[in-house]
Amino acid sequence: AQTVTQSQPEMSVQEAETVTLSCTYDTSESNYYLFWYKQPPSRQMILVIRQEAYKQQNATENRFSVNFQKAAKSFSLKISDSQLGDTAMYFCAFTYSGAGSYQLTFGKGTKLSVIP
Amino acid sequence: KAGVTQTPRYLIKTRGQQVTLSCSPISGHRSVSWYQQTPGQGLQFLFEYFSETQRNKGNFPGRFSGRQFSNSRSEMNVSTLELGDSALYLCASSRTGYRGAETQYFGPGTRLLVL
Repeated sequence: AQTVTQSQPEMSVQEAETVTLSCTYDTSESNYYLFWYKQPPSRQMILVIRQEAYKQQNATENRFSVNFQKAAKSFSLKISDSQLGDTAMYFCAFTYSGAGSYQLTFGKGTKLSVIP
Repeated sequence: KAGVTQTPRYLIKTRGQQVTLSCSPISGHRSVSWYQQTPGQGLQFLFEYFSETQRNKGNFPGRFSGRQFSNSRSEMNVSTLELGDSALYLCASSRTGYRGAETQYFGPGTRLLVL
C-alpha cells in the first residue's frame, strides 16, 4: 500500500519570504507521479505542481518548485516570494501507473498562513 | 470552458436516510473520480468512472455506490447514512484518467451533514 506523510500540520510565513513544505511517501512502485494540491479556504482544490518519478529534473511552476529526492522518497514544495493568496491547505498526493485509473493517495495536509 | 460542477453544494440529512450527489465534469472529460474529505481521515478515494464503467474503487462499504451516464455526468449514492458519513465529497475529472499524466480538476464539493 502507498502512504503519504506530511509532518507539518501548520506553518506560517511572512509575505515575500520563502517557505518549504515537507512530504514523504512510501511505495514499492517504480513508475509513479507526485503532486502538490492547494485548497484555499472555501474554494476548490487546484493542482500546483506535478512531478513524474522517472524525471530527474525537479518540476517548477513560477514561484513554486519541488525538491524531489527519489531515493529518500521525499517530495518537498518550496514557495518563493509568498503572497497572501498562497494562504491555503496544501496536500501532497501520489498515484502510480499500476493503479488502473486515476486514484490519488493524499497526505493529511499542511495549513499554510501567509502573514502580511 | 466551465469547470467541474457539483450539486447540491450543501445537504443536511438524518441517520438512516439515503443521499445522491451529482457531478458534471468539464466538457470532453470522460473520467470522474470521487473523494471523501473529513477532518479525521483526510482525503480518501471512493471510486473512479470512465465511459460509464467503474474502473477502480476505494476501501469503502457497499453503502457507497456510484454511476456514470453517457454524457459523463456522475452520481454517487450513500444509503443508510451514518453520522460518520458527514464530510465534504469532492468530484474530480480528467480527460481519460490516465494515471497521473493528465491534470485532474476538482469541483467545489458537496458538504454533507448527517444528524
